Amino acid sequence: GAVVSQHPSRVICKSGTSVKIECRSLDFQATTMFWYRQFPKQSLMLMATSNEGSKATYEQGVEKDKFLINHASLTLSTLTVTSAHPEDSSFYICSASGADYGYTFGSGTRLTVV
Amino acid sequence: GENVEQHPSTLSVQEGDSAVIKCTYSDSASNYFPWYKQELGKRPQLIIDIRSNVGEKKDQRIAVTLNKTAKHFSLHITETQPEDSAVYFCAANKGYGQNFVFGPGTRLSVLP
Repeated sequence: GAVVSQHPSRVICKSGTSVKIECRSLDFQATTMFWYRQFPKQSLMLMATSNEGSKATYEQGVEKDKFLINHASLTLSTLTVTSAHPEDSSFYICSASGADYGYTFGSGTRLTVV
Repeated sequence: GENVEQHPSTLSVQEGDSAVIKCTYSDSASNYFPWYKQELGKRPQLIIDIRSNVGEKKDQRIAVTLNKTAKHFSLHITETQPEDSAVYFCAANKGYGQNFVFGPGTRLSVLP
């Protein structure tokens, strides 16, 4: 079946630094990648949608200059949290969509900013 | 835009009993409704899904029903087991290739 690999699974960074999260579709071409954020005991909230080769579309309230998304190929999308602050600490999950209705989630990245 | 509501927010059942979680959606264009199970600190895992051309789907102890007219769909788990304890999310998409809107989640606890 479809597999999406997300790295790193956990990252701790200092306030003010940047963190890059990778999401790879291993056995299918992901025409669309979605990035979600999940705070403790809350649901998944869509941050942005990216289509290969195009600029990402951000949801209202998500700062595009802070959360940089690159979807340069059909198998890789990256989310970079720039100048991270403690309030950015969260669980970040990607989801990749291929040629069917199927959506496959990555394993998630727990970001802790200290 | 799409709005997905989910009830109850928490649910406790005795092992062996059934559990039912209900969701409603607002966008009549939604045509795909997956259910995800998320254990603490892990990714959401798709457990069952249903498309708008079907009213019911079953996979062993798990079933989902869809009422398009009323815009609601439900997850049914029978013969619950402790390992069913998790947070369950329903979701609705906006059509092919569109993103999901997730419900707020239901924390299911199966008591031994």
